[in-house]
Amino acid sequence: DGGITQSPKYLFRKEGQNVTLSCEQNLNHDAMYWYRQDPGQGLRLIYYSQIVNDFQKGDIAEGYSVSREKKESFPLTVTSAQKNPTAFYLCASSTRGRTYSNQPQHFGDGTRLSIL
Amino acid sequence: AQKITQTQPGMFVQEKEAVTLDCTYDTSDPSYGLFWYKQPSSGEMIFLIYQGSYDQQNATEGRYSLNFQKARKSANLVISASQLGDSAMYFCAMRDGQAGTALIFGKGTTLSVSS
Repeated sequence: DGGITQSPKYLFRKEGQNVTLSCEQNLNHDAMYWYRQDPGQGLRLIYYSQIVNDFQKGDIAEGYSVSREKKESFPLTVTSAQKNPTAFYLCASSTRGRTYSNQPQHFGDGTRLSIL
Repeated sequence: AQKITQTQPGMFVQEKEAVTLDCTYDTSDPSYGLFWYKQPSSGEMIFLIYQGSYDQQNATEGRYSLNFQKARKSANLVISASQLGDSAMYFCAMRDGQAGTALIFGKGTTLSVSS
């Protein structure tokens, strides 16, 4: 079945450590996104990529980095510069389309990151 | 700047009743799309319904309908005949030209359905 796979489901980070969250999709989508969700809050955009080897910062990119070397993969690294990384991280993908395209974003099941 | 506002932190409804979840938006782009997602306690995001800014009719998908009032910049979700499985967090989101195809989300409304 086509979909988005995020791993791991749970992740723990020590002080000063970088950690990488994996996101893989087999939907043949050009665009991929990373969102952060804090308890009781909406989703905030960290980074997005419309095409391989290109990505843009979202609203809260500080302390995070991404790469897009393959169409299927969009890993997110939470660096030690991100002082409050505890959150639920969601990866999504979509066709590039037009801004008023009715194609929704498809989401993975998320990764819960906590500080040790 | 684009913004989505959901003013109801929590809503309570009994089974088989209808419920309306409010959403207002702000954008200067004439071309935009509005989406509603459901997030159960397990965390996955489930797409429910879409309304485009140029759509003449309100969107409907099964028990979900969207009350789109363009002049008021509102896109309220109506769930008819609520079921226990509808208990979840509901997010309104918007896509316009300023963030490519990325979505801007509201803070969500928690819906609780009781028997």
